[in-house]
Amino acid sequence: AQKVTQAQTEISVVEKEDVTLDCVYETRDTTYYLFWYKQPPSGELVFLIRRNSFDEQNEISGRYSWNFQKSTSSFNFTITASQVVDSAVYFCALSEPYNNDMRFGAGTRLTVKP
Amino acid sequence: DADVTQTPRNRITKTGKRIMLECSQTKGHDRMYWYRQDPGLGLRLIYYSFDVKDINKGEISDGYSVSRQAQAKFSLSLESAIPNQTALYFCATSDLQGPHQETQYFGPGTRLLVL
Repeated sequence: AQKVTQAQTEISVVEKEDVTLDCVYETRDTTYYLFWYKQPPSGELVFLIRRNSFDEQNEISGRYSWNFQKSTSSFNFTITASQVVDSAVYFCALSEPYNNDMRFGAGTRLTVKP
Repeated sequence: DADVTQTPRNRITKTGKRIMLECSQTKGHDRMYWYRQDPGLGLRLIYYSFDVKDINKGEISDGYSVSRQAQAKFSLSLESAIPNQTALYFCATSDLQGPHQETQYFGPGTRLLVL
C-alpha cells in the first residue's frame, strides 16, 4: 500500500527565510500522482500542485518550488522568502490511479514569525 | 459562492446519536469523497463515489455510511456516533479529465464533536 511520510511535524522560521518541507513516499506503482495542499488556520484545504510520476521536471510558481526526485522517492516543497501568510499546515499526498485511494501525510505545521 | 459546500460547519452530538453530514458541489464533478482529519494523522479516506450508482469503502469506513443522492450531493452518516469519531471531516470532488489529470477540491470542513 502506498504511504506518505512528512517527518517534520513543525517548523518555525522568521519572515524572509527560505524553508523546505520534506515529503517521502512509498508506492509499488510506476504511475502515480503527488500533491501538496495548504491548510491555513481557517481550516480549508487549498490545492497547490499536482505532479505526475512520469514528469520529473521541477516546478516554480512565484515563491513556491517543488523538487521531485524519483530516485529518492521524494517530493519536497520550498518556500522562498517566507511570509507570515505562509503560516499553515502543509500536506503532501499520493494517489495511484488504479486504486483511487489518495493517501495523505500527517502534515507539517509551518509558522512564519514576523 | 463556494464550489464545494458542507453542512453543518460545526456539530456537537452525544454518543449513540445518528447524525448526517452533507456535501454539495457545483463543479459538475462525477467523483466525490469523504475524509476525516485527525491531529498527527493527516487525512484518511472514509468513502468515495465515482457516480450516483457507485459507492466504495475507503481506508476507515467502519462506523460510517454514505449516500450519493445525486451527482451534486454526497452525504456521510454516523449511525451511532462514538467519541473517537470526533474529528474534522472534509468532502472533496474531482473530475478525471484523463489519465494523470485528477485533482481533488475540498470543501471547508465540518468539525464534529461527539460527547
